[in-house]
This record gives sequence, C-alpha cells and structure tokens, in this order.
Amino acid sequence: NAGVTQTPKFQVLKTGQSMTLQCAQDMNHEYMSWYRQDPGMGLRLIHYSVGAGITDQGEVPNGYNVSRSTTEDFPLRLLSAAPSQTSVYFCASNPTGNPGYTFGSGTRLTVV
Amino acid sequence: QQQVKQSPQSLIVQKGGISIINCAYENTAFDYFPWYQQFPGKGPALLIAIRPDVSEKKEGRFTISFNKSAKQFSLHIMDSQPGDSATYFCAAGANTDKLIFGTGTRLQVFP
Repeated sequence: NAGVTQTPKFQVLKTGQSMTLQCAQDMNHEYMSWYRQDPGMGLRLIHYSVGAGITDQGEVPNGYNVSRSTTEDFPLRLLSAAPSQTSVYFCASNPTGNPGYTFGSGTRLTVV
Repeated sequence: QQQVKQSPQSLIVQKGGISIINCAYENTAFDYFPWYQQFPGKGPALLIAIRPDVSEKKEGRFTISFNKSAKQFSLHIMDSQPGDSATYFCAAGANTDKLIFGTGTRLQVFP
C-alpha cells in the first residue's frame, strides 16, 4: 500500500516550458487536492477534485490545469512555467467525509 | 473569512519544556481542526485533530485546546523532545473537505 505517490521529486524548468506533475493514490480516496508550499505562506490550495471527472479551483489556480479521469490519478499541469511557480508542490487525498489528508512526499520545482 | 492565522512563526524550546502553538480562524462554518507535522524533505503528516463539540483532545504528549467562542485553537506539546523538531501546521475545514492551512511554525527543541 503506497499511499500517495508523487513524481518527479525534483525538477528544474526554464521559463515558458510546460510540464506535468504526477500524483497517484491507491487508497480509493474520492477527494484529491494540490497544494503549493512557500516559505512564510504555508500550504495554499491550487486545485481539488471530489471525484473522477470533477475538478474545481482553489486559492491560487492561475497558471495550473488539472484533470481527473480516474479515481487514482490527479495530474497537475503547468502550461507555461514562470519563476513565481518555483515552489514545493504537494498532492493530498482523503475519503469523502473524512478530511484527514494523506500527503505525498512532494515535488520541488525550480523555474529559472 | 477563509484565513487561518498561526503564531508564532518559530519557536525554540528546551528539552522537557512545553511547546505551544496558536491558531485563530474566522469562518464559523469550520468544523474540523487538524494539526500536521512536517519534517524536512517530507510531506505533512496528520498529528491530531479536533471537532468543535469538545474543548480538548489529548493523544500522548500532544493536546489540542479549542475555544469555540474565541475562534481559537492551540497545540500543546508536553515534555518536548529533540525528535519533535519539525514544522507544525494548523488547518481548518468544513463539510466541503477543503482544508485551509496556517502559515506554519518551525519548532526547534534543544537538548
């Protein structure tokens, strides 16, 4: 039982490049979310999904896209990376009605 | 109205002492208040959580105190140990399952 798996662990992008951060969970959780963590700002919600085919925006959605075609996977796409997107990204999942999140180990992204 | 304010930003405690971290919220619809612990290079992990129907919850050396009227809650770490050195986040959420996080407190426990 792997929990929440995020790949890659580290990534360096050039400004304007695109990439997808992968997130997969094997706990059959309906709810999945993406947060970014920046010094002094805590964890801020980017996008979330309450089930396959359903996504919604969080607090800081600009510059990011998501889709949820299966219960297990919730990828986060950066369409045109900007230095302001340099951050540590965390994916989390939880079953509906139980907001105790299980977090992945994070992806550290640097945009130069 | 969605903010969760956390203090202090950093905390230094001697081994055996009590660590206290405070959070305040504004949205009265919040009904779930967890604390997460994060070690360097790792994702946050759920430490302890409370619902507003109780004023205190204790698990081992960790206690949440909840004041509904003041819209505040706090984490107390008794007999703090060097292994408790980590960043702690409070959070708050409602039926929607979304969690709003505080800005984090870096705790250092010195022997």
